[in-house]
Amino acid sequence: TQLLEQSPQFLSIQEGENLTVYCNSSSVFSSLQWYRQEPGEGPVLLVTVVTGGEVKKLKRLTFQFGDARKDSSLHITAAQPGDTGLYLCTTPRGKGSQGNLIFGKGTKLSVKP
Amino acid sequence: DAGVIQSPRHEVTEMGQEVTLRCKPISGHNSLFWYRQTMMRGLELLIYFNNNVPIDDSGMPEDRFSAKMPNASFSTLKIQPSEPRDSAVYFCASSLNVGTGGLQPQHFGDGTRLSIL
Repeated sequence: TQLLEQSPQFLSIQEGENLTVYCNSSSVFSSLQWYRQEPGEGPVLLVTVVTGGEVKKLKRLTFQFGDARKDSSLHITAAQPGDTGLYLCTTPRGKGSQGNLIFGKGTKLSVKP
Repeated sequence: DAGVIQSPRHEVTEMGQEVTLRCKPISGHNSLFWYRQTMMRGLELLIYFNNNVPIDDSGMPEDRFSAKMPNASFSTLKIQPSEPRDSAVYFCASSLNVGTGGLQPQHFGDGTRLSIL
């Protein structure tokens, strides 16, 4: 069974700092998504990556998919309090199981003003 | 546009009682998912439907849990009888048909926070 390991588990930083969070697996990802979940709300999709080595940018967020497709990172530049939340990575459980997603336990980010 | 709507937002009940959680997916979405989120286990898929048909219920913990989707705009997740270990936040999500053209975005409701005393 594929497991997703996210690190760090918790991260508390000051506004304006940069940070990187990671998502790793012992197996190759077919594709990967990052979601952000704010307190009291459901997760919201940030990005989908499918190609090894792929880099996607979303304003101050940069997503990287490892060449071997076994890891991914999310880098935030000049973090703001609005970036506070739980960052989750997810991938299909197996081939042909696009609906059956497994999630990492997430990185809980707190950005203090 | 309205997102995924879940009710109730909070439910507190005593063990042994029946609990029914409700979900209205986004209009036009063919796939619907029920998840459970706890601190210990994170976000876990319980069951998902495609075109109102259950496709994968391997995540349903035991027979006390059941889910139905009588039509394209409504689904329920029922727990009977409830136990304290069922306390969690339950999310419903919907998407366009899974399995068509790659990984689809899932749109989540705001969840039902369930406490079983």
